[in-house]
Amino acid sequence: AQSVTQLDSHVSVSEGTPVLLRCNYSSSYSPSLFWYVQHPNKGLQLLLKYTSAATLVKGINGFEAEFKKSETSFHLTKPSAHMSDAAEYFCVVSGARGGKLIFGQGTELSVKP
Amino acid sequence: GAVVSQHPSWVICKSGTSVKIECRSLDFQATTMFWYRQFPKQSLMLMATSNEGSKATYEQGVEKDKFLINHASLTLSTLTVTSAHPEDSSFYICSARGLAGSSYEQYFGPGTRLTVT
Repeated sequence: AQSVTQLDSHVSVSEGTPVLLRCNYSSSYSPSLFWYVQHPNKGLQLLLKYTSAATLVKGINGFEAEFKKSETSFHLTKPSAHMSDAAEYFCVVSGARGGKLIFGQGTELSVKP
Repeated sequence: GAVVSQHPSWVICKSGTSVKIECRSLDFQATTMFWYRQFPKQSLMLMATSNEGSKATYEQGVEKDKFLINHASLTLSTLTVTSAHPEDSSFYICSARGLAGSSYEQYFGPGTRLTVT
């Protein structure tokens, strides 16, 4: 069975400072991992995905995530936050290829000017 | 590419009525579509999985007679909330998965806000 835990329900950063959103996963086989962003009353946009290729994954808008099997983590980072990054972020795991997506609880990112 | 639309984007209906939400894959054939429900400030909960031409598979705790799902074509799935009640008010999001390129990725629609009065 797969599960995913986002370690922070809310993260607040100042504009221009680094962003770290933490995610741990559990999977009985090699997982696919995703980060999605959701702006208020909007659908989900894929930021990046890991599917057993390079462990450091680069996504859109300057985000990247590193898959660490030994730590069962897939943390999302960005060197410098922008006001437009304020949104809800979901870490998602999928087991077998094409399997169901299991969503984390979400992390709300606030960016202060 | 890989665009999914939903219609309507928001709907208000009276208690006891039914409302239909459409999910369309605009530029690819979706062999599988998923319906999620999201309460305010919460994560997405999978309601059901539908494969084109067959009955939907509902997650535990989801009433299949209340949430009717039809996936009649490779580009359209519908969710009908029957005899809606205020507790059905929620944000409903669909996603579609097909053979977009060589990816089995799910592509999400923009969501439908349902308010039952």
